[in-house]
Amino acid sequence: GQQLNQSPQSMFIQEGEDVSMNCTSSSIFNTWLWYKQDPGEGPVLLIALYKAGELTSNGRLTAQFGITRKDSFLNISASIPSDVGIYFCAGQLRTDKLIFGTGTRLQVFP
Amino acid sequence: NAGVMQNPRHLVRRRGQEARLRCSPMKGHSHVYWYRQLPEEGLKFMVYLQKENIIDESGMPKERFSAEFPKEGPSILRIQQVVRGDSAAYFCASSPPGLAGSREQYFGPGTRLTVT
Repeated sequence: GQQLNQSPQSMFIQEGEDVSMNCTSSSIFNTWLWYKQDPGEGPVLLIALYKAGELTSNGRLTAQFGITRKDSFLNISASIPSDVGIYFCAGQLRTDKLIFGTGTRLQVFP
Repeated sequence: NAGVMQNPRHLVRRRGQEARLRCSPMKGHSHVYWYRQLPEEGLKFMVYLQKENIIDESGMPKERFSAEFPKEGPSILRIQQVVRGDSAAYFCASSPPGLAGSREQYFGPGTRLTVT
């Protein structure tokens, strides 16, 4: 079945640093989405990307839909303590089904 | 503007009992999806429903699991004769009308099922 490889698995950074994570797939996706999940909660949608090459920002977050439609990356600038959590990429098929990556666990130290 | 609602938030069942998980989509959303998450893993798709129709159940186990989204009321994920391996967090998502493959999915807080 389809698989999304997300890296890095975890990151430990200082407050104020920039963060970059990415997702790659062996299959083409129609849409890429990025979610953040806090412990004990459901994923919260951060950014949705619909077109190959698209670059979209949401505050300090920037995400891009790769030209090949098989990858995406997420950048967080000037990290703050509340950025702590697990970040998931998800590729969406034409059937609406989401395929999730394995997650990047982000820890921010003051 | 209420988000996706799920209840109960936590559910404990003994082996062999039935579990019923409920999901009310966001207002104006007519598409509902169920996902399962094991500890330290990403979410895995189970089923996609519209009102009174199952659109895609390719992620549902063949036995003991069923889902419905009736004309009135919440969507229900039902697990019969639960086993320990069913212990997981079950998330519901909903999306607004739109083009297939481009509908943003918004998730509820999940139901954490523990089978003892």
